[in-house]
Amino acid sequence: EADIYQTPRYLVIGTGKKITLECSQTMGHDKMYWYQQDPGMELHLIHYSYGVNSTEKGDLSSESTVSRIRTEHFPLTLESARPSHTSQYLCASSEGKGNSPLHFGNGTRLTVT
Amino acid sequence: GQNIDQPTEMTATEGAIVQINCTYQTSGFNGLFWYQQHAGEAPTFLSYNVLDGLEEKGRFSSFLSRSKGYSYLLLKELQMKDSASYLCAVRPTNAGKSTFGDGTTLTVKP
Repeated sequence: EADIYQTPRYLVIGTGKKITLECSQTMGHDKMYWYQQDPGMELHLIHYSYGVNSTEKGDLSSESTVSRIRTEHFPLTLESARPSHTSQYLCASSEGKGNSPLHFGNGTRLTVT
Repeated sequence: GQNIDQPTEMTATEGAIVQINCTYQTSGFNGLFWYQQHAGEAPTFLSYNVLDGLEEKGRFSSFLSRSKGYSYLLLKELQMKDSASYLCAVRPTNAGKSTFGDGTTLTVKP
């Protein structure tokens, strides 16, 4: 069973607020990812990291930023939330091997009013 | 670029067999994954194929043909709990990130 945790599970926040979505994994995985998914829609990669102090932007442009100071922790920050940021944010991790699947957290459902 | 195609929706009857197809065109290939995602939940890993052929895991099997850029997920003895979205994902390179298809929403009816 995967050990990857996201908090908060649900968040409702006003426009202009700064928010940080937390993601932690206890599996020692080097690779971590953030995906954005609207209900019933496809997963879009917005950020990824292959190790400490390594972060890259994904396929979908995002106004969020990430950091990777510790292997187990990969937080995502929105400096100024907007209604267009309303979505579900899924964090995932994987081992370094090519056949390693993604292990997903339960997600954070963000609503910006 | 990466392009992955799956049918949007499928419906099947409890106890039946259903095949969900996935075709892909990617700049490289280092494996194809199938994930299951129930509504409102996170995706969970089902199967992985990197060589041509069939991989069987209980009621679920996955097939790959690299020359055709084609995979399918076969679900046998369907149960109501199999109603979910099934995501096909391709990893283009060994170190690369996976690209997901739009997913196929399967509805299992009594």
